[in-house]
Amino acid sequence: DIQMTQSPSSLSASVGDRITITCRASQSISTYLNWYQQRPGKAPKLLIHDVYTLQSGVPSRFSGSGSGTDFTLTISSLQPEDFATYYCQQSYNTAMYTFGQGTKLESK
Amino acid sequence: QVQLQESGPGLVKPSETLSLTCAVSGGSISRSNWWTWVRQPPGKGLEWIGEIYQSGSTNYNPSLKSRVTISIDKSKNQFSLKLNSVTAADTAVYYCTSLTSRRFDYWGQGTLVTVS
Repeated sequence: DIQMTQSPSSLSASVGDRITITCRASQSISTYLNWYQQRPGKAPKLLIHDVYTLQSGVPSRFSGSGSGTDFTLTISSLQPEDFATYYCQQSYNTAMYTFGQGTKLESK
Repeated sequence: QVQLQESGPGLVKPSETLSLTCAVSGGSISRSNWWTWVRQPPGKGLEWIGEIYQSGSTNYNPSLKSRVTISIDKSKNQFSLKLNSVTAADTAVYYCTSLTSRRFDYWGQGTLVTVS
């Protein structure tokens, strides 16, 4: 299986801050990397697919980058609704999709 | 846009079979994407369970493969999950999703299944 490791596991920040979450794959996954946002009690929501393509309706303050094994999700200016848990997910191995363990973004 | 809705018992006894159904609306289940199940134990991360294509072709998580069956009913525009011999470790919120171009683009609201 391809292991996905996110860092940090949790992060405290304030509205207006710029934050970055890192996701590392245990082997190269090319650009088959997606990001999801999950608010408490809700289903995950696709934010970014194929490393940097924003899903329709996602604000432009979200961005993604990376290739191979190292990827990042950046929120340029945090808004109150962005406090949530974020997951990366690899789609390189279509016989076994795997997610990172999640990064909980909390209000400072 | 596609909407997904899970249904099924919220409580299952140990060693019995967990059965859930996902109703698809706003689009045909025969469209060109995979239909999948993902679960999330309380307070934990996401785990892919498996997927089915309109043709009936399936793929399963190797760690669950011996206990999982996913089926599709095109006449009812729905697909289903069966997980047998459940234990407390199978307690989770179960989500049905669509997988389009290798991304989980639409999700159901999720249903909590407790094994006890």
